[in-house]
Amino acid sequence: DTGVSQDPRHKITKRGQNVTFRCDPISEHNRLYWYRQTLGQGPEFLTYFQNEAQLEKSRLLSDRFSAERPKGSFSTLEIQRTEQGDSAMYLCASSTGQGKSPLHFGNGTRLTVT
Amino acid sequence: GENVEQHPSTLSVQEGDSAVIKCTYSDSASNYFPWYKQELGKGPQLIIDIRSNVGEKKDQRIAVTLNKTAKHFSLHITETQPEDSAVYFCAASGGSYIPTFGRGTSLIVHP
Repeated sequence: DTGVSQDPRHKITKRGQNVTFRCDPISEHNRLYWYRQTLGQGPEFLTYFQNEAQLEKSRLLSDRFSAERPKGSFSTLEIQRTEQGDSAMYLCASSTGQGKSPLHFGNGTRLTVT
Repeated sequence: GENVEQHPSTLSVQEGDSAVIKCTYSDSASNYFPWYKQELGKGPQLIIDIRSNVGEKKDQRIAVTLNKTAKHFSLHITETQPEDSAVYFCAASGGSYIPTFGRGTSLIVHP
């Protein structure tokens, strides 16, 4: 399977703990995106990378959130001091970076903060 | 920023009927409009997309139309089948390469 891979699929954590998610994009895709999706809503943009450069961050990405893509390949999204409001599906997507190319999504990491 | 409105939120049809989902966008600079299908427990999957230099695009039972003047675009599914049941999302993007998504339409196809 050469699609976008996300790990873990599910994460349950207690409020105040830190969590980290990993995304492996499709090989040779230059752009990598993180979105958040809550029940009954569409994906909401968090941040995006062109190769290793983080080019844009949403207002939704508070200072408790940090994302990296150190070598322009896989990416990590860390949430510090989790809150119950952080409970959501975190989706990663990648695209080729050729103009308006479609996003290819992974199956997400479902975070539950208790 | 871009704002995408999607209607209806729920659509229930009988197998074999057609289904139409409509979206409007706010940013006149948007020029790329993908549609995604999301099944339970999975990420959204691209089913069709259209660019602003085209008014209509068709792929088997699925078609998308775009009216740039009115800033709206629609997804048409003909001869619906139970396996078409899913949540469908429209999206719009312009120069930022960051798609903004609608809130989704839950399509239920009754056998």
